[in-house]
Amino acid sequence: AQSVAQPEDQVNVAEGNPLTVKCTYSVSGNPYLFWYVQYPNRGLQFLLKYITGDNLVKGSYGFEAEFNKSQTSFHLKKPSALVSDSALYFCAVRGPNTGGFKTIFGAGTRLFVKA
Amino acid sequence: DAMVIQNPRYQVTQFGKPVTLSCSQTLNHNVMYWYQQKSSQAPKLLFHYYDKDFNNEADTPDNFQSRRPNTSFCFLDIRSPGLGDAAMYLCATSDPWGASSYEQYFGPGTRLTVT
Repeated sequence: AQSVAQPEDQVNVAEGNPLTVKCTYSVSGNPYLFWYVQYPNRGLQFLLKYITGDNLVKGSYGFEAEFNKSQTSFHLKKPSALVSDSALYFCAVRGPNTGGFKTIFGAGTRLFVKA
Repeated sequence: DAMVIQNPRYQVTQFGKPVTLSCSQTLNHNVMYWYQQKSSQAPKLLFHYYDKDFNNEADTPDNFQSRRPNTSFCFLDIRSPGLGDAAMYLCATSDPWGASSYEQYFGPGTRLTVT
């Protein structure tokens, strides 16, 4: 079965510190991996994606993520967190067998950045 | 400039009273999706269109229907809303053949309340 796991419901970090939001996946074949962010009462907003190529991908607002095939992980990182980064973050995956254009979303991780 | 527009942003309906949510896009994307999201959980895909081809998820209740009269517009009809249908409904689009061919573009969502 195709799945995405975000093991942490919540991540707390102080402003200026590095942050990591974890994601692991289970997809047969080569996955397409994504991170989306959701602010309160808003739709999801695309942050970054891994399709192929360099394992380290850079996205919006200073976020980056590293694709690790051996660990089937795609953790989201940022060197220095901002209070405005506080939001709900979703990892997502598409693969050859996820069903056409279907994307599978993780359960989400709420990030709190304290000033 | 809004690219995926959802109207209304907030909708209140009565138990059992049909309701229609609308989505429009200025991106000219082939694929349009409807998701249900409850209480900051992962978005749950209800169905999607590839052009006029309708793809229903196996676990989407019959109470939920959709129409896509043209490329730009897509509607979600809830025939007899129950209290359990109160949620945020998200519309999204994607372009399988374009430069950003894998990620989805989300609208701001419609929050549905059932009284």
